[in-house]
Amino acid sequence: GAVVSQHPSWVICKSGTSVKIECRSLDFQATTMFWYRQFPKQSLMLMATSNEGSKATYEQGVEKDKFLINHASLTLSTLTVTSAHPEDSSFYICSARDDGTAYNEQFFGPGTRLTVL
Amino acid sequence: GENVEQHPSTLSVQEGDSAVIKCTYSDSASNYFPWYKQELGKGPQLIIDIRSNVGEKKDQRIAVTLNKTAKHFSLHITETQPEDSAVYFCAASYDAGNMLTFGGGTRLMVKP
Repeated sequence: GAVVSQHPSWVICKSGTSVKIECRSLDFQATTMFWYRQFPKQSLMLMATSNEGSKATYEQGVEKDKFLINHASLTLSTLTVTSAHPEDSSFYICSARDDGTAYNEQFFGPGTRLTVL
Repeated sequence: GENVEQHPSTLSVQEGDSAVIKCTYSDSASNYFPWYKQELGKGPQLIIDIRSNVGEKKDQRIAVTLNKTAKHFSLHITETQPEDSAVYFCAASYDAGNMLTFGGGTRLMVKP
């Protein structure tokens, strides 16, 4: 079945540092990937849509210079949280749209928990 | 944009009973309505979905109904088991490959 992985699964960093999170589609190609953020006991909120070979599309209120997205291949998108602060602590979840299915289904990764001290 | 409301936010049932979670959406252009189960510290797992060309879909103990006129859809879990305990999210989208708008989530607790 379609599998999406994220790395790392959790990360703790100091305030002011940058953190990179990887999202990989393991057995399918994904031109489009989505990045969501989930605060404790809240729902998933879309941050941005990542498109292979082009710039990401960010949702209103999400700073593109703070959350850098790179989708350099059909199986990998990265989210870099730059100059992280404690308020960026959250659960970051990606999903990848399978280019090969009739319905273009998307599959979610297991999430990355970021804690900024 | 799309707005999805989900109720209830918490639901406690006795093992063996049924559980029903309801969602409403605002955008009549939405055609795809998935339901996800999320366990603590994990990503959401798709459990069932329905598209706007059908009114009901069933998969063993899980069923989903859709009323496109009223813009609401519901998840029904029968014969609940303790392992059904999790947070459930509904979502809406134009199609399966587009960005999803999630409901607020329902914490389901199944008491043995």
